[in-house]
Amino acid sequence: EEQLVESGGGLVQPGGSLRLSCAASGFTFSSYAMTWVRQAPGKGLEWVSAISGSGGSTYYADSVKGRFTISRDNAKNTMYLQMNSLRAEDTAVYYCAKDYLHFDRLDNWGQGTLVTVSS
Amino acid sequence: QSVLTQPPSVSGAPGQRVTISCTGSSSNIGAGYDVHWYQQLPGAAPKLLIYGNSNRPSGVPDRFSGSKSGTSASLAITGLQAEDEADYYCQSYDSSLSGYVFGTGTKVTVL
Repeated sequence: EEQLVESGGGLVQPGGSLRLSCAASGFTFSSYAMTWVRQAPGKGLEWVSAISGSGGSTYYADSVKGRFTISRDNAKNTMYLQMNSLRAEDTAVYYCAKDYLHFDRLDNWGQGTLVTVSS
Repeated sequence: QSVLTQPPSVSGAPGQRVTISCTGSSSNIGAGYDVHWYQQLPGAAPKLLIYGNSNRPSGVPDRFSGSKSGTSASLAITGLQAEDEADYYCQSYDSSLSGYVFGTGTKVTVL
């Protein structure tokens, strides 16, 4: 059974940094692009970033470009999101999701990890 | 900022049919990119409900159906059940933004 488990969320001050992890199991991790999607409290879904199966191509929403870095370690079946210069508006539940086909549909989601940016 | 527009809420009595619209533009739905739909139950992660405009993943009841035309798409729920109360989101790809775009989300209430 495919499974995605996020970790690394927590409370951080504005301007601070945090690294999220997404551990995958039950499928050939390196064969699939992966994506981060976030959801602010009481709000809708927002695409954050995506990475190809090899890790050679990365993509970012304008709202996080230059501040967030997506990466993956295929040997560890894990994807990461390094978040720097965090702002209050980055407060959200961050979900990792598996791309069925690159930039097609997200066919499996993790349970999410909450990031709160506040002083 | 959501690029795809959905009605904030729809409601219906058990057994009724409800539809949710998803309106995009020439850089996403109108460009021919597929539309997918997700169901998010209260307190849970989103789950793929419809893919490729009108296809259901294994395990999704045939009460759920999708369609696409021009720059819009629709999700229909027939024979509405209490367990269908959830938020629903459409999703596509946008060539101008070079990334995924989601709808604004629609809350379905079963009266």
